[in-house]
Amino acid sequence: AQSVTQPDIHITVSEGASLELRCNYSYGATPYLFWYVQSPGQGLQLLLKYFSGDTLVQGIKGFEAEFKRSQSSFNLRKPSVHWSDAAEYFCAVTLMDTGRRALTFGSGTRLQVQP
Amino acid sequence: ETGVTQSPTHLIKTRGQQVTLRCSSQSGHNTVSWYQQALGQGPQFIFQYYREEENGRGNFPPRFSGLQFPNYSSELNVNALELDDSALYLCASSWSPVREQYFGPGTRLTVT
Repeated sequence: AQSVTQPDIHITVSEGASLELRCNYSYGATPYLFWYVQSPGQGLQLLLKYFSGDTLVQGIKGFEAEFKRSQSSFNLRKPSVHWSDAAEYFCAVTLMDTGRRALTFGSGTRLQVQP
Repeated sequence: ETGVTQSPTHLIKTRGQQVTLRCSSQSGHNTVSWYQQALGQGPQFIFQYYREEENGRGNFPPRFSGLQFPNYSSELNVNALELDDSALYLCASSWSPVREQYFGPGTRLTVT
């Protein structure tokens, strides 16, 4: 069955420290990959996406992610975290070979930023 | 450019009742997808509408139904509400079924 795993439920980092959020997927075909961020009580904002090409993709708010096919991973990184980055982060995956982009989401990682 | 909007923001219903949630897609978008997000979980795909036709459905019972209108706005209808239907309902729109999705702020439904 297709699935997306975010192994870390909760991560706490200090402001200014680097960040890496993990995402692994299990799909039989080549996926499209996304990271979304959700602030409390809000909808989801698209941070970045990977469709094809360069496996290192840049997104908004200083985030980047790297697609590693051999590891079935799409980890999100930021070199220096700001207090405003505290939120819930969701990795999402969909298949390239369907005419419908139903997103399958991981269970999320809650990021807490210490001053 | 106006983003995706949803109404109402919050809703409280009683078990067994029916509810209609509304979504206005972002300008230029012809595809709308609906997701259910239970507390502490990631969103789950309900269904997608493309040019007024259903274009795929997730693992939800038939009492979850939808519509898309000629202006590409959409409705989600849920009949015979159950307590487990309490969740945040998210609408997302895109330029086509195969493009990235942009989400609205959601409707928080509470079933008592």
